[in-house]
Amino acid sequence: DIVLTQSPGTLSLSPGERATLSCRASQSVSSTYLAWYQQKPGQAPRLLVYGASRRAAGIPDRFSGSGSGTDFTLSISRLEPEDFAVYYCQHYGRSLWTFGQGTKVEIK
Amino acid sequence: QLQLQESGPGLVKPLETLSLTCTVSGGSISSTNYYWGWIRQPPGEGLEWIGSIYYDGGTDYNPSLRSRVIISVDTSKNQLSLKLTSTTAADTAVYYCARHGAYGVERHFDSWGQGTLVTVSS
Repeated sequence: DIVLTQSPGTLSLSPGERATLSCRASQSVSSTYLAWYQQKPGQAPRLLVYGASRRAAGIPDRFSGSGSGTDFTLSISRLEPEDFAVYYCQHYGRSLWTFGQGTKVEIK
Repeated sequence: QLQLQESGPGLVKPLETLSLTCTVSGGSISSTNYYWGWIRQPPGEGLEWIGSIYYDGGTDYNPSLRSRVIISVDTSKNQLSLKLTSTTAADTAVYYCARHGAYGVERHFDSWGQGTLVTVSS
């Protein structure tokens, strides 16, 4: 089974800074099925990016996804106060959906 | 606008069956373009996919939970249901229902319910 490992566990940054989040798969996966979600306390996850690099509807262009094979990245170009949250990557393959363990982006 | 709403008991005794329902509004659960899934999140932890169902009853389950899970759909009520048997404290979590695409690139979860906390405790 595919295991997704996210790093770092916690990212401490200031508003306006750039955030770079990593998601590494235990084996090569199709970028078609790699998605990113944002979750704020007490809320359900929200889809940000799918197909590794396609922004979901209504997602600001400061969010961007990239990567292929085993290494994927979610970048937030300039952190806004509402961007401090936990981010999860997720993969679909062979009728299985797998999530990474999450990266928390906190205010420094 | 599509809305998903989970409902069910917030407290389940150990070894009993956890039963939840997700009611879909603003869209049809019988759409051929989507599956409907359950995902859970233990307090302070990450997300775990439980399983997904198609309108015709076809299912996919997480192998780690397959022996204890039944997901069903009632198209007349626009609802899906989750049953998890032989529960333990480890099943304490917020349970979400969510929608994902059935084909091609659309395998991500694009709509989520607000979630419901289920505690397994005597």
